[in-house]
Amino acid sequence: QLQLQESGPGLVKPSETLSLTCTVSGGSITINSYYWGWIRQSPGKGLEWIATIYHDGTTYYNPSLRSRVTMSVDTSENQFSLKLSSVTAADTAVYYCARDYYHSGGGSDYWGQGTLVTVSS
Amino acid sequence: DIQMTQSASSLSASIGDRVTITCRASQSISNYLNWYQQKPGKAPRLLIHAAFRLHSGVPSRFSGSGSGTDFTLTISGLQPEDLATYYCQQSYTAPFTFGPGTNVDIK
Repeated sequence: QLQLQESGPGLVKPSETLSLTCTVSGGSITINSYYWGWIRQSPGKGLEWIATIYHDGTTYYNPSLRSRVTMSVDTSENQFSLKLSSVTAADTAVYYCARDYYHSGGGSDYWGQGTLVTVSS
Repeated sequence: DIQMTQSASSLSASIGDRVTITCRASQSISNYLNWYQQKPGKAPRLLIHAAFRLHSGVPSRFSGSGSGTDFTLTISGLQPEDLATYYCQQSYTAPFTFGPGTNVDIK
């Protein structure tokens, strides 16, 4: 059974960089046709797609966050990562990592449990 | 960006009722439409992809329809475990935007 687990600091200071890692177990991150992404949900709010990466490093970013976001993949560790720079209180949210197949007409079929990141001094 | 709207932010229904949730895209997305269910404190769960294709393991009381700009998620016979918020999402083009959600509770 495929499992995804987010890890990273739960508290980040304003103007600093938020860094999260998603570890994939029970399957390979190099599987063909599947991408790996990040989605966030602000407290009491809806869902926002952040970015998606393929195991070859091809990335797609939400234009609204593009200037501050970087995704990377480490196939040797079966992990992918998110960095969001210059954070503000508006970036406080539960961050989910997920497997997706948008490019094949699908959705996000496996999700991590989510990790709450609070931006505060 | 493609904007996704859902006709109701919440609705109340009785156990056993047929429940319909609608979603509209600001431009045609063909059938690149996904539906998710989210319960409090949990990650979303994929129910339907490509507008009508039931994801593996999802009960058959869930069904989806529509194409272009208008889509529907139907629960045929609401069960207590279906109390949740339902989101639509377009996967036609990045950014892959979500609707604001429809919360389903018991009347």
